[in-house]
Amino acid sequence: QKEVEQDPGPLSVPEGAIVSLNCTYSNSAFQYFMWYRQYSRKGPELLMYTYSSGNKEDGRFTAQVDKSSKYISLFIRDSQPSDSATYLCAPKRYGGATNKLIFGTGTLLAVQP
Amino acid sequence: NAGVTQTPKFQVLKTGQSMTLQCAQDMNHEYMSWYRQDPGMGLRLIHYSVGAGITDQGEVPNGYNVSRSTTEDFPLRLLSAAPSQTSVYFCASMAGAANQPQHFGDGTRLSIL
Repeated sequence: QKEVEQDPGPLSVPEGAIVSLNCTYSNSAFQYFMWYRQYSRKGPELLMYTYSSGNKEDGRFTAQVDKSSKYISLFIRDSQPSDSATYLCAPKRYGGATNKLIFGTGTLLAVQP
Repeated sequence: NAGVTQTPKFQVLKTGQSMTLQCAQDMNHEYMSWYRQDPGMGLRLIHYSVGAGITDQGEVPNGYNVSRSTTEDFPLRLLSAAPSQTSVYFCASMAGAANQPQHFGDGTRLSIL
């Protein structure tokens, strides 16, 4: 079983739609849950992260973690064509080799104008 | 403010050739990593370093060598290129705290014929 599972998509939505992107993970030691966004032919960049369970909101983006079910979600409200990118979830343990991120395969999102 | 710089951006090699992918960061980050990104596989960790003079293997280290003689530079060497090493390679750096993001370069697209 992979440590992180993510539906690769592609996911195509009309502009203004609410988007839900999801990951599941297997390692209960993960405590930080990061979402990276990757535009075509660019490196990933951190979009937002949460610590432990709960929600975190940043503008049109909301990250949600349910540690009991090992489920991570990213919601995008009022999606824009500029949101078209690949979104990668990346859970991380606290301590140890702190730069050993485990990434999901990424979900390719296309927002149609 | 350059961040993480990778060179070259593109490279074509013949099977059996060797080459070095360069990575430099100007943020004085302790941690640096190399990933490869393949369709359907996501980002996989090749090697990482927690400081000058210290390196360790990631998930897919075979066929690659690294060294870290300075804080700024973390080159990745392909010893004898194989078609299976055709991929996009990303270098990343991060500061020491567990909740800090990884900063990625824009990648090197490598084709092995």
